[in-house]
Amino acid sequence: GENVEQHPSTLSVQEGDSAVIKCTYSDSASNYFPWYKQELGKGPQLIIDIRSNVGEKKDQRIAVTLNKTAKHFSLHITETQPEDSAVYFCAAHTGANSKLTFGKGITLSVRP
Amino acid sequence: EAGVAQSPRYKIIEKRQSVAFWCNPISGHATLYWYQQILGQGPKLLIQFQNNGVVDDSQLPKDRFSAERLKGVDSTLKIQPAKLEDSAVYLCASSLVSYRDTQYFGPGTRLTVL
Repeated sequence: GENVEQHPSTLSVQEGDSAVIKCTYSDSASNYFPWYKQELGKGPQLIIDIRSNVGEKKDQRIAVTLNKTAKHFSLHITETQPEDSAVYFCAAHTGANSKLTFGKGITLSVRP
Repeated sequence: EAGVAQSPRYKIIEKRQSVAFWCNPISGHATLYWYQQILGQGPKLLIQFQNNGVVDDSQLPKDRFSAERLKGVDSTLKIQPAKLEDSAVYLCASSLVSYRDTQYFGPGTRLTVL
């Protein structure tokens, strides 16, 4: 089955700096890659996603890049703000008759 | 638009007791998921329903866990008997039709088994 790994496990940045979170996946058939943000006491919330026919996608301060050859994808957050502090999960999906497989999450801390 | 509703939000039980969680998905969403999230880990799918049929329950410990989705809307997840290792947050999510659609998560139920 699919295996998704995230690194690093924690990341601390200064407010205003950029943050980059990387994920690798094992199944070359995976074709959908969402990123979720989870705040304390809440369920995960989708912040951006990308499908395998696209190399990059951007939404305001957030962008995701996908390298299918290397089987990794990254979340980029620019101009970080304290409210960006949360746990971020990447996930991968191989399509029909498969499930969404999550990484272990990374805790992002933005220092004011 | 109302989100995914779950209850209770917190539950503390002793091992070998039983417990049930309830989920009401977003109106009109055909697919419903139950995930288990152990502290420090990502969510792990337990069971997926499309309408009231089971699509995937390969990771559901069927000797103690059961789930149903009557009439293709609300769902309940039951654990009987509970073990210490069942302590986790149980998340319900729903999506419009299938795996291609965004999954929206509820706030979860935090279960502590003593």
